[in-house]
Amino acid sequence: NAGVTQTPKFQVLKTGQSMTLQCAQDMNHEYMSWYRQDPGMGLRLIHYSVGAGITDQGEVPNGYNVSRSTTEDFPLRLLSAAPSQTSVYFCASSYKTEVYGYTFGSGTRLTVV
Amino acid sequence: AQTVTQSQPEMSVQEAETVTLSCTYDTSESDYYLFWYKQPPSRQMILVIRQEAYKQQNATENRFSVNFQKAAKSFSLKISDSQLGDAAMYFCAFKGYYGGSQGNLIFGKGTKLSVKP
Repeated sequence: NAGVTQTPKFQVLKTGQSMTLQCAQDMNHEYMSWYRQDPGMGLRLIHYSVGAGITDQGEVPNGYNVSRSTTEDFPLRLLSAAPSQTSVYFCASSYKTEVYGYTFGSGTRLTVV
Repeated sequence: AQTVTQSQPEMSVQEAETVTLSCTYDTSESDYYLFWYKQPPSRQMILVIRQEAYKQQNATENRFSVNFQKAAKSFSLKISDSQLGDAAMYFCAFKGYYGGSQGNLIFGKGTKLSVKP
């Protein structure tokens, strides 16, 4: 089925560990984004990409890296996990001129202990 | 920079009744899109309804409708004949019309809607 696939769904990390959250879409969307959701804060943009090879920072980029080598994939890397990165992470994608909003993955609940 | 404000952290409605969720936004753009997303306990983000700013007619999707007041920068969501399955977190979101950074969604902090049987 077409959509946005995020893996893993749940993850527990120790402080200082690194990991990559995977995101893939098969809709040929130009735009891809990573958001984090914290209680009472809504969804905040971490990084985004407007096409393969092009990425930029969002509102809360510190501690995260991204790359976009293909249209389909947009992984999010946590370099050295901190308890402040405990959150639910969403990947989303959209056509450049999409009027229908974004399609979201099912989210990853990350806990850093 | 654009901002989206949802002033009601929590709302409650009786089953079969009508409820309105508020959203205001701030932008200097004249063309943009507005959305309401629903997030049930499953965590999935579900698009409920969308509005193009250049359209004066308010969008409607079955029991869901919006009151879009462009001059007031207001975008409220009305849910009619509320059902138990409507219980969820609702997010208002803004998206610029043009590309680049304006293509990203900007979210409000959300309104948690409870539906009483």
